[in-house]
Amino acid sequence: QKEVEQNSGPLSVPEGAIASLNCTYSDRGSQSFFWYRQYSGKSPELIMSIYSNGDKEDGRFTAQLNKASQYVSLLIRDSQPSDSATYLCAVKGRSSASKIIFGSGTRLSIRP
Amino acid sequence: DGGITQSPKYLFRKEGQNVTLSCEQNLNHDAMYWYRQDPGQGLRLIYYSQIVNDFQKGDIAEGYSVSREKKESFPLTVTSAQKNPTAFYLCASSRGQGIIKVDEQFFGPGTRLTVL
Repeated sequence: QKEVEQNSGPLSVPEGAIASLNCTYSDRGSQSFFWYRQYSGKSPELIMSIYSNGDKEDGRFTAQLNKASQYVSLLIRDSQPSDSATYLCAVKGRSSASKIIFGSGTRLSIRP
Repeated sequence: DGGITQSPKYLFRKEGQNVTLSCEQNLNHDAMYWYRQDPGQGLRLIYYSQIVNDFQKGDIAEGYSVSREKKESFPLTVTSAQKNPTAFYLCASSRGQGIIKVDEQFFGPGTRLTVL
């Protein structure tokens, strides 16, 4: 079992709709969760961090965390063509020395 | 402007050569990291450093070496012992030591290495 799992996609969503990206993780003691956006040929860009169960909203983005189910998701409202990218889920363990483990990413395509 | 710079953007290496990739940050971050990304795959950790003059191996350290003589700099050397070095190399930094939860990593623009 991979430590951080994501569906590779591609996930195709019509413009203006809600895109839902999902991620599961294996370490129950994980404390910190991150979503990165990576455009083709570019480096990852941090878009959301979440540490507590529940929802965290930032503009059109909402991160959702459920530690009991070991599940974190990212919702993108009013999807735009510029949202087309690969989204990487990343998880950090409980200690300050813990490494961040990245999933392989979900490729999102917003169709006009 | 605060940020992370990597150079060069593109690098071509002949087999048997060692090459060094540069990473510099002016964010005053304690921790720095090197990742490798292959097409269609996630990021794999090569080396990381949480403080000057100290670094640890990541998951795929064989064939790579690093140094951390200054807080701002964390160069990566890809040696001839690395059998398949063609990849996208990403440097990242974070506030690091003592920060448990809010330890977000920020990435440089990357170096694309190709072995000829």
